[in-house]
Parts: sequence; C-alpha cells; structure tokens
Amino acid sequence: EAGVTQSPTHLIKTRGQQATLRCSPISGHTSVYWYQQALGLGLQFLLWYDEGEERNRGNFPPRFSGRQFPNYSSELNVNALELEDSALYLCASSPQGSLQPQHFGDGTRLSIL
Amino acid sequence: QKEVEQNSGPLSVPEGAIASLNCTYSDRGSQSFFWYRQYSGKSPELIMFIYSNGDKEDGRFTAQLNKASQYVSLLIRDSQPSDSATYLCAVGMDSSYKLIFGSGTRLLVRP
Repeated sequence: EAGVTQSPTHLIKTRGQQATLRCSPISGHTSVYWYQQALGLGLQFLLWYDEGEERNRGNFPPRFSGRQFPNYSSELNVNALELEDSALYLCASSPQGSLQPQHFGDGTRLSIL
Repeated sequence: QKEVEQNSGPLSVPEGAIASLNCTYSDRGSQSFFWYRQYSGKSPELIMFIYSNGDKEDGRFTAQLNKASQYVSLLIRDSQPSDSATYLCAVGMDSSYKLIFGSGTRLLVRP
C-alpha cells in the first residue's frame, strides 16, 4: 500500500513569490492535515481538510491556504512568501474520525531566498 | 505552560538498556495519544498510539497512559543504536482533530 506522497521534495523561492505544495493521501483516507516544521520550532498544525472542506486551521495568516480535491488529494498554497516561511511542510492523512492515527508523507522542504 | 511538554534531552542509554521517554499534557479533554519517531532530516513515523489508561505493548515498545496525572510515556526495551532519533509525543482532541506535538526528546543509544 502506498503511503502519503508529497511533491515536490524541495522548493526554492524568493520573497514575495507564491508556492504550491501537493499531497496525495493513503488510499481510503479522507482527512488530510498540513503541518509546518520550522527549525527549532517543532511541528505546528496548519490546516485540516476532510471531504473537500476546510475543517480547522492553526494560528497562521490567511496567506496560507489550500484545498482538497474530490480524490482527497490536497494542495497547500503560500502567498507573499517571507523568509520565515522556510521550513519542512508535512502532510498527513488519516481515515475519517478524530481518534485515528495520522500518517505522514516525506515532506516538502521550502527554502526562501 | 506549553500544551505538550517533553524533555529535549539528549537521553543517552547503552545498547540493550530500557529507554524511558516521558510527556505531559495540559488539556484534560485530550482523547488520543501518539508517539512518533523522527530521524534527522526525515518525516515523523508513527510508533505507538494509545487511547485508554494503562499500558499498550507492541514488540519492544510499550506506551503508558495516566489521564489523571496527564502523563504519557514510551518505553523502548533492548534499545538499539538504530533507535537513536527524536521521539515526538502528540496529543489529539476529539473536538478539533488536530494533533498538538511536543518539541521532542532526542534519544541516543550508545553501542
């Protein structure tokens, strides 16, 4: 069974640009979660999508947004990139249900120059 | 007070010993508890999850939960150098579906 897949592996952008990160969940999983892991700051919850809807978001500005497609894959968009957006962005998926374990993809490392 | 607290370590144990990793959480409404292992430069890998008070064993790993004390731990028996990694404690609440992560404990198993 394929795990959570994310693309691209690495992404280099400059300040002010826009970035799009992609995630495909494990087959059968309907919930997709996005986390940011910046150096020294630990994993921070960004967004949760389920059945195509945004269900919850963390304490991030509106320039962090995303969507979930009918096949449950998801995109994370970051507009007006800032230097502090440099981080590993992790996508996780789980079956529907709040107590289900979340399984992570390998992440996209976003570097802002 | 942080929502999920872990000692950053490093916790250093000799090969073959038991490693004990601890985590406390602040929200009494927390329903689900997870341990992830993260090697440097890699993504977190699910090791154990536990929902009820008591112990849950899986191979060399045992998760322990005490909701009254708001405490969850992970024991690794017969520690191996390959267990050297950062271990992340994560806590979930039924109402929000998101996981709150601790900052992780770095474990070093000495050959």
